[in-house]
Amino acid sequence: QKEVEQNSGPLSVPEGAIASLNCTYSDRGSQSFFWYRQYSGKSPELIMFIYSNGDKEDGRFTAQLNKASQYVSLLIRDSQPSDSATYLCAVNMEYGNKLVFGAGTILRVKS
Amino acid sequence: EADIYQTPRYLVIGTGKKITLECSQTMGHDKMYWYQQDPGMELHLIHYSYGVNSTEKGDLSSESTVSRIRTEHFPLTLESARPSHTSQYLCASSPGASRNTIYFGEGSWLTVV
Repeated sequence: QKEVEQNSGPLSVPEGAIASLNCTYSDRGSQSFFWYRQYSGKSPELIMFIYSNGDKEDGRFTAQLNKASQYVSLLIRDSQPSDSATYLCAVNMEYGNKLVFGAGTILRVKS
Repeated sequence: EADIYQTPRYLVIGTGKKITLECSQTMGHDKMYWYQQDPGMELHLIHYSYGVNSTEKGDLSSESTVSRIRTEHFPLTLESARPSHTSQYLCASSPGASRNTIYFGEGSWLTVV
C-alpha cells in the first residue's frame, strides 16, 4: 500500500462545476496535510494546508480532513479552465517527520 | 511567496560531462530537498538536508550527490551525466517546523545528449 494514494484521473468537469479531488493516507499519526497544484512543465505550488478535522475554505477552494477515515479532499467550486492541472496531495508523516507526496490527480475543466 | 532560486533553468549537456545544479533560498529554512520528476510522472525525493553539514539520500536512488555547507545553498552534482539523467530537478525548502510546509523552486530541466 502506498503511503499517500490519489486517483490519477483524468477527472473531467464542465466549467462552473464543483471538482472533487480525493486522497487517502496510511499513517494514522499524520498531523498536517497539503494540496499543491502543478501546471504542465511547472513546479508545484502550495494552494492549501489543513491540520484539523473538518473543512477549511479559501476562496473557491475547500479542503476537508477526516483523520478517523484517513482521508483528505479538495473541492474546487466554480471550476475554470485555468484550474486544469495536476493536483498533488502531500501528507506529513509522523514517523520520520517527512512530507510524502501522492502521484497526483489530473484535472481537466472543459469550457 | 517562497524565495527559492534554481540555476540553470534549462541545460543541454553531452554525455560524460560534470554538472552542478544550483539552489539557493533566502528564507533561512533549515530543511532543503531535491526532487526528480519526469514529464507527467510522480515526484521522487532524491536528497534532503536538515541543516548545515547534514545530507541524506531520499526514496529514489540517484547517482547525484549534494552538499550543504551554508544554510541557504544546496547544490546537486552529477559527476558524469548520462542520457538516463534527463529529467526535471526540483529544489525545495521548508522551515523545519513540525508542520513542514514545502516550497518549491522553479525547477531545472536537464537534457543529456
